[in-house]
Amino acid sequence: GAVVSQHPSRVICKSGTSVKIECRSLDFQATTMFWYRQFPKKSLMLMATSNEGSKATYEQGVEKDKFLINHASLTLSTLTVTSAHPEDSSFYICSASKPSGRAGETQYFGPGTRLLVL
Amino acid sequence: SQQGEEDPQALSIQEGENATMNCSYKTSINNLQWYRQNSGRGLVHLILIRSNEREKHSGRLRVTLDTSKKSSSLLITASRAADTASYFCATDSQGAQKLVFGQGTRLTINP
Repeated sequence: GAVVSQHPSRVICKSGTSVKIECRSLDFQATTMFWYRQFPKKSLMLMATSNEGSKATYEQGVEKDKFLINHASLTLSTLTVTSAHPEDSSFYICSASKPSGRAGETQYFGPGTRLLVL
Repeated sequence: SQQGEEDPQALSIQEGENATMNCSYKTSINNLQWYRQNSGRGLVHLILIRSNEREKHSGRLRVTLDTSKKSSSLLITASRAADTASYFCATDSQGAQKLVFGQGTRLTINP
């Protein structure tokens, strides 16, 4: 199997606070993890690609200082939403791919984290 | 940017009928994948078809790929209420590890 967990599953916070979301691959090592954002009834929008031991690669239009990504180990990547505002409210999903080195391999998704900023 | 375009955006059918969803993409790919998402949940991988394959089956799922038309279809046969979900196609972006997702089809199976 390939199980990916996310914590927390949902979080409500006040505007201006920072929120950390964890993504873990439970039964495999993931050299690459991906962070997505999804608005209601919309598709997934890739925010950044996280590689273990190196800086994340952010997609165009995603503020790297706003969304801090750390991939400190082969099984854990974290996304920190800094100084969150109501417009940051969304469903955040992570995924991990097994280290095959091939392009476009299957990604295994976490269950998502619903963030609500008041 | 989203490479994949899916149609229909929404599909509602009776239980037992077949459901067909289509996906088109713009650039060359190594493979194309289909995922399912239940409301408020993460995505579940359904099937991967490589660029040198034309058709693939998995249980009640049948996927076709036409690289000349840059399109793919997902057929779910003998649909069940539990198939109600959103279905997304995803392609690798010009050989990169990252995936680009289509807009998705919201499928509703009516009992």
